Amino acid sequence: KAGVTQTPRYLIKTRGQQVTLSCSPISGHRSVSWYQQTPGQGLQFLFEYFSETQRNKGNFPGRFSGRQFSNSRSEMNVSTLELGDSALYLCASSPANYGYTFGSGTRLTVV
Amino acid sequence: GESVGLHLPTLSVQEGDNSIINCAYSNSASDYFIWYKQESGKGPQFIIDIRSNMDKRQGQRVTVLLNKTVKHLSLQIAATQPGDSAVYFCAENKGSGTYKYIFGTGTRLKVLA
Repeated sequence: KAGVTQTPRYLIKTRGQQVTLSCSPISGHRSVSWYQQTPGQGLQFLFEYFSETQRNKGNFPGRFSGRQFSNSRSEMNVSTLELGDSALYLCASSPANYGYTFGSGTRLTVV
Repeated sequence: GESVGLHLPTLSVQEGDNSIINCAYSNSASDYFIWYKQESGKGPQFIIDIRSNMDKRQGQRVTVLLNKTVKHLSLQIAATQPGDSAVYFCAENKGSGTYKYIFGTGTRLKVLA
């Protein structure tokens, strides 16, 4: 079966712009989580959604937001981009809250 | 692809030897743990998991040991192969209902031919 699909794979944005990243979970998976990965901070939890509801949120500023649609697909948005937002953004899906499967990520570069 | 972490602890192991990767977790309330493997340019890949009511779990060539007393996890890889070269992360789930995982900083495993 198809894995977790993230689009786009690579993105270059300018400071101050906003960006939307997309994640299609594995079919049947209702939980979608987002993580930011940087060399300095490692994998940091952003938020988790289940059945269109955000159940938990990490310690990121309000510029980072997300949502989940009725088909479990999810998007995350980052507004007013800063250089420090350059990272690999990973989406993971699970049937519930265990055994998450990750996508290959979207590499965002802010210039 | 770009390296996952520039200053990760590195474990170098001869091909065919066993590897042991260690991880200290932070919260005694954590009840579920996962080991992930991440190759360059890819997302983390699930290897094996363990719940806090277990001390040991075995998979194919991998074993995870959990010591709740000292809050320590280890991943043992038997007969390490070149394809095992990657960064390995442990992740803890801080109790039911929190819906988020805390990842360790990772260990880079290098398999020497």
